[in-house]
Amino acid sequence: DQQVKQNSPSLSVQEGRISILNCDYTNSMFDYFLWYKKYPAEGPTFLISISSIKDKNEDGRFTVFLNKSAKHLSLHIVPSQPGDSAVYFCAATLSGAGSYQLTFGKGTKLSVIP
Amino acid sequence: NAGVMQNPRHLVRRRGQEARLRCSPMKGHSHVYWYRQLPEEGLKFMVYLQKENIIDESGMPKERFSAEFPKEGPSILRIQQVVRGDSAAYFCASSPIPRTETYEQYFGPGTRLTVT
Repeated sequence: DQQVKQNSPSLSVQEGRISILNCDYTNSMFDYFLWYKKYPAEGPTFLISISSIKDKNEDGRFTVFLNKSAKHLSLHIVPSQPGDSAVYFCAATLSGAGSYQLTFGKGTKLSVIP
Repeated sequence: NAGVMQNPRHLVRRRGQEARLRCSPMKGHSHVYWYRQLPEEGLKFMVYLQKENIIDESGMPKERFSAEFPKEGPSILRIQQVVRGDSAAYFCASSPIPRTETYEQYFGPGTRLTVT
């Protein structure tokens, strides 16, 4: 039972263009969402997050959008750079619970073509 | 600027042996999480610990797996009598006292366990 779903295993984008990575969740109790970036043989690195009280959060080239009614979020990278090529994981958590465990999607492998 | 440290980075064990994975959290962090990533899968939560306390072990297999975070020293994830299905990447993450603004967890480089 996957509570966080990333339905696109891979995505290829031309350098300079926009990359859009999508994520859906089924647990309506989730109220905090995070995106992580992972290179091979390394641990995930935090990119950007958003609380459910917001619908957009921006940090430099990265913007995360949240649509609570659709239980959908997306990560936009503009402009895309070759160094952005990595696997991107969407994660969710319940901020009011005692555990703070993150529930991850399976990831989307982004390839930025020079 | 010491991040989360994990060792060993690679561990090979034969079926039936024990595996011990170590994690030192970032300086100032007192909360440790362990996650497992199977091939082609996302990371799955295993256990959440504070110093000398297991807070949430709902993701831990019921048998053979245990975790601790002693008052002194690193957190240890212990797998007894390993089987081939235990082959995975095990990641440790740490955070400062929760209820910060971001709920962000900082991950180590992982330990890749191979069971032969």
